[in-house]
Amino acid sequence: AQRVTQPEKLLSVFKGAPVELKCNYSYSGSPELFWYVQYSRQRLQLLLRHISRESIKGFTADLNKGETSFHLKKPFAQEEDSAMYYCALKPPGGYQKVTFGIGTKLQVIP
Amino acid sequence: DTGVSQNPRHKITKRGQNVTFRCDPISEHNRLYWYRQTLGQGPEFLTYFQNEAQLEKSRLLSDRFSAERPKGSFSTLEIQRTEQGDSAMYLCASSLGLGPGGNQPQHFGDGTRLSIL
Repeated sequence: AQRVTQPEKLLSVFKGAPVELKCNYSYSGSPELFWYVQYSRQRLQLLLRHISRESIKGFTADLNKGETSFHLKKPFAQEEDSAMYYCALKPPGGYQKVTFGIGTKLQVIP
Repeated sequence: DTGVSQNPRHKITKRGQNVTFRCDPISEHNRLYWYRQTLGQGPEFLTYFQNEAQLEKSRLLSDRFSAERPKGSFSTLEIQRTEQGDSAMYLCASSLGLGPGGNQPQHFGDGTRLSIL
């Protein structure tokens, strides 16, 4: 079974402080991992995916297969980063079932 | 293109009634997904279409739920004999699939919020 765990429902940080949103997954294989973000009153949207290995809005995420983790990091939080962040997993290949974590609300304090 | 469009935005109905939601994906997207999201949870996968074919269904999709995508464009999700537990946000997403391993990002709609009285 595929499972995504986000241990923190709420994470509050001060502006300029580093951010780390934790995500651990359970899957016997090599899944695809994603981070989605939902800003206030906006749609859920893709932030980044592990296969792209890119930085979006200053965020990066490294897939650690040994620890089955895909934590989201940003060195300096900005107020506009305040949002709900969801970690998600998809099996490799043609299967399309995406499993989401419960989400972490990031609150950046000015 | 305004992105994925879902109607209605909000549906209030009495327990036992049938409801139907509609999703219009981004026009060139061949893949369409339905999710359900309850308060404090992430979206839960319900079902997936590639063109008009329904290829995956979650065990969450009981026999009271049926989804269609008759012409490979818009999709409908119907819930029969609604129950209190069906109250949730129903999200639709679409993507452009480029073969089994060619997955483009899913684009989500605003959702339909269902409230069962």
